[in-house]
Order: sequence, then C-alpha cells, then structure tokens
Amino acid sequence: DAKTTQPPSMDCAEGRAANLPCNHSTISGNEYVYWYRQIHSQGPQYIIHGLKNNETNEMASLIITEDRKSSTLILPHATLRDTAVYYCIVSGSARQLTFGSGTQLTVLP
Amino acid sequence: GAVVSQHPSWVICKSGTSVKIECRSLDFQATTMFWYRQFPKQSLMLMATSNEGSKATYEQGVEKDKFLINHASLTLSTLTVTSAHPEDSSFYICSARTSVWSTGELFFGEGSRLTVL
Repeated sequence: DAKTTQPPSMDCAEGRAANLPCNHSTISGNEYVYWYRQIHSQGPQYIIHGLKNNETNEMASLIITEDRKSSTLILPHATLRDTAVYYCIVSGSARQLTFGSGTQLTVLP
Repeated sequence: GAVVSQHPSWVICKSGTSVKIECRSLDFQATTMFWYRQFPKQSLMLMATSNEGSKATYEQGVEKDKFLINHASLTLSTLTVTSAHPEDSSFYICSARTSVWSTGELFFGEGSRLTVL
C-alpha cells in the first residue's frame, strides 16, 4: 500500500469548514483513498473513501486531485465533537488497512 | 451502519494470567476480522488477520503463541493474551469487513483496554 503524509495537527473554528490534506504521491491505479477518524479512547470510525472521483456523504466530502497524488477531506461545518485524529489511508483493498500517524484536528469554540 | 462489538471494554488483570477479548459482528457475517493494538499516543498497529475456520495470519514480530486468535464462527473472533505482562497493557481493537467486494469499508469495534498489573 502507498504511504501517506499528513500534517500532525490542525485547528479549526467551530462552525467553519475543516480541510484536512493528505499526500499520497506513490498511489497506484487500483488503490483507494480511505479516511477514518478516532476520537480519544474509541475505535476508528469510517468516514469516506474514493478512487478518483470526488465523493460526498452525510459526514464529509472527499476531493481527490486529478493526478490522484493528493486528497482533501472536508468537514463542512465542524463541531466540537469532530475533534479527533483523522487518518488518511491508501489501500488496494479494505481487507487490511495500515494506519499512519494521522492529523489531530482540534475544533475550537 | 454495520456494528462491531467488543467485550470487555476494559479489563485489569494480574501479571501471568490470561485474558480473552471477544469481537462480534452484530448484523453481518464477517469471514475476516482484523486485530489491532494501540499504545498510548501511537497509531494502530495491525497484529493479525483472523479468518473464519482457519488459522490466523500474524504480522511480523507478533507472537502467535502469546496472542491466540480463534475465529470459530462468521460473527465471532476472540483474542486471548496468554500469560499477560505489564508490557502487554494496551488498547486492543478489532475490525471486520462487510462487503464481499475488496474495496468495502472496514468497521471497527469500540476497543478493549487491557491493563496488566
């Protein structure tokens, strides 16, 4: 699976959009981009995944660049409960996911 | 969404004892479950892949005789930490896949925090 690079931490004001970047320059053609988050002392929560088209669900939007070397997870209206570690994972199969260090997002009141 | 449940959510035991953690898929059948371990302030590390009806596949550096995995049914996998020691204290998390397609999302349990005294 390709390696990902994420900033270690980010802050966001409550009610504003949170944009979390991820670089995956070595991604291969059959690999998907997955986003999970982990709130303190809980198991990871699935957010969204995509291959090359932008995706949107009730939680977030995923924007993947045309060359697929980077992506951005967008939380449109961040709340305090969105404070968590966000993991960007690239994998050819969801059978097995390798977690990096992720981004600690802190939503500020 | 699909639900994966772990039990117990936390356990404290004495050094040398064995501890069993259960992982159940509540509303779907999971032929494959995954066990992760997470130490404080670190990311999740995959320990093993649990396959229903066959032996688990362990990651490099994980002792199969210390971390016994049994996946006897399509809805239950168990992890037994044998002869636990304080260095085994960690957050253990299981996950399972719902879709028969390889790109399906993984769902994770709530985690089980083990403290070995």
